[in-house]
Amino acid sequence: DAGVIQSPRHEVTEMGQEVTLRCKPISGHNSLFWYRQTMMRGLELLIYFNNNVPIDDSGMPEDRFSAKMPNASFSTLKIQPSEPRDSAVYFCASSLFLSDYNEQFFGPGTRLTVL
Amino acid sequence: GQQVMQIPQYQHVQEGEDFTTYCNSSTTLSNIQWYKQRPGGHPVFLIQLVKSGEVKKQKRLTFQFGEAKKNSSLHITATQTTDVGTYFCAGPNHTGTASKLTFGTGTRLQVTL
Repeated sequence: DAGVIQSPRHEVTEMGQEVTLRCKPISGHNSLFWYRQTMMRGLELLIYFNNNVPIDDSGMPEDRFSAKMPNASFSTLKIQPSEPRDSAVYFCASSLFLSDYNEQFFGPGTRLTVL
Repeated sequence: GQQVMQIPQYQHVQEGEDFTTYCNSSTTLSNIQWYKQRPGGHPVFLIQLVKSGEVKKQKRLTFQFGEAKKNSSLHITATQTTDVGTYFCAGPNHTGTASKLTFGTGTRLQVTL
């Protein structure tokens, strides 16, 4: 069984460019999460979806960030325009929400460097 | 909002020594989860505790959930170099039809020979 798939694994771009990160959750999972991890701020939840609907986007830093989940097997996180302070590792995770048991499965992450 | 803190932030031990990380939540939790992230890797689920005072063991790892369900600990006996990584606790925050996790600040463990 394939785990959570993220692409690209590494992205280097210049300030001002648009960046799109992609995620394919585990088949059958109904929740999808986007996290950002930096040394300074740790692991931050940006946004999460349940049944393809955004539930909580309070962690999205600003309007430059947007996320979509057009179907149950695909999600994107877009940064436009990108800035050097967006450099971080971005993780996508998925889970099957069942009452109180909601183990999250993380993808390998996308390491983003904005020059 | 819910906050989850962990101490220490970092610990360096010699192989064979014990290690403990502590997790404290600002709110009562319905359950608590623990994850491990190896250097350069992604967080991987270790265990979930649900009951007040619950203790679970996985080989050399012992997990405990506090009686008030606001704190938890992870103890590793006789550390090995394979234990190196960052350990996170995480508490759920339900909205009725969905749930997110609030991750703790993490404890980075370094083990040397």
